[in-house]
Amino acid sequence: GEDVEQSLFLSVREGDSSVINCTYTDSSSTYLYWYKQEPGAGLQLLTYIFSNMDMKQDQRLTVLLNKKDKHLSLRIADTQTGDSAIYFCAETLGVTSGTYKYIFGTGTRLKVLA
Amino acid sequence: DVKVTQSSRYLVKRTGEKVFLECVQDMDHENMFWYRQDPGLGLRLIYFSYDVKMKEKGDIPEGYSVSREKKERFSLILESASTNQTSMYLCASSTKGGGPSYEQYFGPGTRLTVT
Repeated sequence: GEDVEQSLFLSVREGDSSVINCTYTDSSSTYLYWYKQEPGAGLQLLTYIFSNMDMKQDQRLTVLLNKKDKHLSLRIADTQTGDSAIYFCAETLGVTSGTYKYIFGTGTRLKVLA
Repeated sequence: DVKVTQSSRYLVKRTGEKVFLECVQDMDHENMFWYRQDPGLGLRLIYFSYDVKMKEKGDIPEGYSVSREKKERFSLILESASTNQTSMYLCASSTKGGGPSYEQYFGPGTRLTVT
């Protein structure tokens, strides 16, 4: 079945690197995504990776994809207090109407300690 | 600036009441979605709509219905609210199709409490 799993909590000190991990089930996903949810807000797209890539870097963010193990990770370098949020990984699944739905993970709450 | 708005940020209703949650997007998106968010369970899809008057059940449709009479508006209806429907409800919209441009835009959420 469709399942995207993440650990629930991560706590890091300001200035350290954070690594948020995710395992997904659908090997046919063409793109995999990371969304961020700040307190009191909806989700916002942070970054995505194409499934034929192993790594993607975007400023302080590095996404690693191990397609064989269906494992996705998000590394945040030099973590700041403003990075405190819930991070969701997600994959898309085609549905019968010809559109796509997202399967979101359980979310990892990142707490950055000053 | 893209915008998805939800009619209320906080709502308190009594068990058995009929509840309407409204969502409006201004991006002319074909797709609209309703999710509920619960701690430890992430986002779970309730219903989505890929066109006006078209809808599909998501993963947890029981106890909910939806209405999409206009492209920009998608309503979630709780026919008879129950305490286990206390949750954060998030609306989202997107264009059709997959790919990196397939970003979902989210509203700020409605925190519903059923007493």
